[in-house]
Amino acid sequence: QKEVEQNSGPLSVPEGAIASLNCTYSDRVSQSFFWYRQYSGKSPELIMSIYSNGDKEDGRFTAQLNKASQYVSLLIRDSQPSDSATYLCAVKSYNQGGKLIFGQGTELSVKP
Amino acid sequence: GAVVSQHPSWVICKSGTSVKIECRSLDFQATTMFWYRQFPKQSLMLMATSNEGSKATYEQGVEKDKFLINHASLTLSTLTVTSAHPEDSSFYICSARHRGQFNSPLHFGNGTRLTVT
Repeated sequence: QKEVEQNSGPLSVPEGAIASLNCTYSDRVSQSFFWYRQYSGKSPELIMSIYSNGDKEDGRFTAQLNKASQYVSLLIRDSQPSDSATYLCAVKSYNQGGKLIFGQGTELSVKP
Repeated sequence: GAVVSQHPSWVICKSGTSVKIECRSLDFQATTMFWYRQFPKQSLMLMATSNEGSKATYEQGVEKDKFLINHASLTLSTLTVTSAHPEDSSFYICSARHRGQFNSPLHFGNGTRLTVT
């Protein structure tokens, strides 16, 4: 089992719709969870960080964390073509010495 | 704030030569820097963790004698790809963590695209 798993996609949504991205992780003692966006040929940029169970909202983005289910998700409301990118879920735990472990990424395509 | 600068942004070298990539934290001190490698259509794979003033910790399967890491100061880590081969062609990305902020997000450099001919 991979440490961090995501559906590779591609996920295609129409402009204005909600895009839902999912991620599961295997290390039960993981503490910190991040969503990064990566455009083709560029390095990742941080979208959201979440540390405790529940929802965290920032503009059009909402991160959801459920530690019991070892599940973290990212919702993008009112999706725009500029949101088209690969979204990487990343997990950090003390057991891993603070290393950030990435999922394989989900490619999102927002169609105008 | 929290800017990480990586240089060069791209490099083309001949097989058998060595290439050095620099990673600098411009406005913060980073006791720990991480080096990742990303092949096309794949995710970021951690190569090694670089700690200021001590030896780097390499991930399983990463040759420490081939990928030399030096973290001589709180703002600079370097990765040297020695005797590069075409299969080393990849996107190398460094990241840095604020000193004393274990749970803070990592800040990434812009990456270095290495092409070995």
